[in-house]
Amino acid sequence: QKEVEQDPGPLSVPEGAIVSLNCTYSNSAFQYFMWYRQYSRKGPELLMYTYSSGNKEDGRFTAQVDKSSKYISLFIRDSQPSDSATYLCAPSLTSYGKLTFGQGTILTVHP
Amino acid sequence: EAGVTQFPSHSVIEKGQTVTLRCDPISGHDNLYWYRRVMGKEIKFLLHFVKESKQDESGMPNNRFLAERTGGTYSTLKVQPAELEDSGVYFCASSPGVYTEAFFGQGTRLTVV
Repeated sequence: QKEVEQDPGPLSVPEGAIVSLNCTYSNSAFQYFMWYRQYSRKGPELLMYTYSSGNKEDGRFTAQVDKSSKYISLFIRDSQPSDSATYLCAPSLTSYGKLTFGQGTILTVHP
Repeated sequence: EAGVTQFPSHSVIEKGQTVTLRCDPISGHDNLYWYRRVMGKEIKFLLHFVKESKQDESGMPNNRFLAERTGGTYSTLKVQPAELEDSGVYFCASSPGVYTEAFFGQGTRLTVV
C-alpha cells in the first residue's frame, strides 16, 4: 500500500469552476501537509502549507486536513486557465525535510 | 537571486554508462535534497544533505547511486552503471533549514536506452 494515494486524474474543468483535489495517507505520524503545484517541465513549487488538522485559506486556495480520517484536500475557487498544472500533495513527518509525495493530479482549466 | 539550478536539463545515455547530475542550491542554503520521479510513479525522496554531511540517505535505491556535496555547496548524483529503470526526472531542492520552505530546481530528465 502506498503511503499517499492521490487520484492522478486528469481533471478538466471550465474557467470559474470550484476544483476539489484530494489525497489520503496511511501514516498517522504525518504532522505537516503541503500542496505543491508543478507546471510542465518545471520543478514543484510550494502552494500551501498546513500543520496538523484544520483549514488554511490563501486567496482562492483552501487547504483542509482531517487527521482522524487521514484525508487532505485542496480547493480552488474561481479557477483560472493559469491554474492548469499538476497538483501534488506532500505530507511530512519533519516539515520540509523529507516529503512523501502523492502521484499528483493533472488539472486543466479551459476558458 | 538565482534559484536552484540543475545540470544538464536532459541526458540520454546507454545502459551501463555513467552519468553525473549536478545541483547548485540557492546560496546559503545548508539543506539540499534529491528526489526522483520515474515514469508513472510519484516523486520519491532519495537523500538529504546538511552542508556536506548526509543526514538521511534512506531513499537511495542501491549502491549504483552515489551522492556528494563538495564543501557544502553544489551536489552531484552519480549513477554507475546506469540501468533502464533509472530513467526518470531527478529533482534537487534546497532550504535554509528543515522547517523552512524547500525550493526545487527544474529537474534533470534522464533517459537510459
